[in-house]
Amino acid sequence: QSALTQPASVSGSPGQSITISCTGSSSDLGAYNFVSWFQQHPGKTPKLMIYEVTKRPSGVSDRFAGSKSGNTASLTISGLQAEDEADYYCSSHTDSNTYVFGSGTRVTVL
Amino acid sequence: QVQVVQSGAEVKKPGASVKVSCKVSGYTLTDLSIHWVRQAPGKGLEWMGGFDAEESETIYAQRFQGRVTMTEDTSTDTAYMELSSLTSDDTAVYYCATDPPNFDYWGQGTLVTVSS
Repeated sequence: QSALTQPASVSGSPGQSITISCTGSSSDLGAYNFVSWFQQHPGKTPKLMIYEVTKRPSGVSDRFAGSKSGNTASLTISGLQAEDEADYYCSSHTDSNTYVFGSGTRVTVL
Repeated sequence: QVQVVQSGAEVKKPGASVKVSCKVSGYTLTDLSIHWVRQAPGKGLEWMGGFDAEESETIYAQRFQGRVTMTEDTSTDTAYMELSSLTSDDTAVYYCATDPPNFDYWGQGTLVTVSS
């Protein structure tokens, strides 16, 4: 199972909105609504930001929003803040009853 | 609230095995499904395997089949991941995480360094 495809980097200015894409196939992203997004600051543990495509865990800012169309999921961060600078990973269940993560996207706040 | 605490860093020689533990509290292990994810230095997250509660079996990523064993001790609410035949490519931080597909809670990570 190959990693889901994400852009290596995305950047934006404070207050702007950015979108990170996560592309898979009909065997994973396209087949299930079990898509999660994780934020990871350097040297820290990944933190769940979005689950089941669009849902936010308690305590996660509503500036983070998830969506999916076909084999591509997206994470949009609105009102970009300095604290959002981190690596972001998507994940999905697969039809082999396994899980796969995305390649990761470094978000830079300019 | 679930808390997940992993064992400390390990240094191993090539060819050796390593066993990492993951102790949960706040819930019992029978209420959770523990999976393992690793991250090589400067690289992304890689799913290794874990317990499938629906099928009542442990599932492994194909690339680790035959080299990894994941077990649980419900009497101590501790999960274990043992990886054998280590090479330098296995140098990574190993995480346990609960309840896929969400992976709600993560351990702090265990650095495993493979070096001669």
